[in-house]
Amino acid sequence: EVQLVESGGGLVKPGGSLRLSCAASGFTFSAYSMNWVRQAPGKGLEWVSSIGLSSTYIYYADSVEGRFIISRDNAKNSLYLQMNSLRAEDTAVYYCARGPDGFFNYWGQGTLVTVSS
Amino acid sequence: DIQMTQSPSSLSASVGDRVTITCQASQDITNFLNWYQLKPGKAPKLLIYDASNLETGVPSRFSGSGSGTDFTFTISSLQPEDIATYYCQQYDNLPYSFGQGTKLEIK
Repeated sequence: EVQLVESGGGLVKPGGSLRLSCAASGFTFSAYSMNWVRQAPGKGLEWVSSIGLSSTYIYYADSVEGRFIISRDNAKNSLYLQMNSLRAEDTAVYYCARGPDGFFNYWGQGTLVTVSS
Repeated sequence: DIQMTQSPSSLSASVGDRVTITCQASQDITNFLNWYQLKPGKAPKLLIYDASNLETGVPSRFSGSGSGTDFTFTISSLQPEDIATYYCQQYDNLPYSFGQGTKLEIK
């Protein structure tokens, strides 16, 4: 069974940093591109970032470009999102999602990030 | 960037009703269109991929159609467990983008 479990969310002050993790199991992690998608409170879904199989490609939404860094460790079956210079508008539930090229066929349950003073 | 316009934003229907949601892309996306179901506290779920293909394990009352810029998602007979918010999403071009969502409620 495919499982994606996010962790690392919490309360952080504006300008602060946070690192999210996603632990994958039930499939060959190294064979899939991975993604982060977020949902702000009361808002819709927003794609954040994608990373290729061996980090061969990395893409970011304009809203996070230059502040967030996506990475993966295929030996640990893990996906990461380093979030720097956080803003109030980054407050959201962050989902890890498996899938190639924007096709999100499995998702985790999400981790909540709150940016507030 | 490709804008996805989804309607309606909310919908109230009775059990057994046929429910239809539409999604319009700001440019031709061929059939690179998926539909997802979101329930509070649960992992989002892919229902329909490539506009009209039913994901494995998804009940056959769910269906999708369309190509180019205009797409439709249908629940043929609404069930109580279908209460959720539904989103369309294009993956033809970066940045991948979602519709605004349709919150489905039971009348």
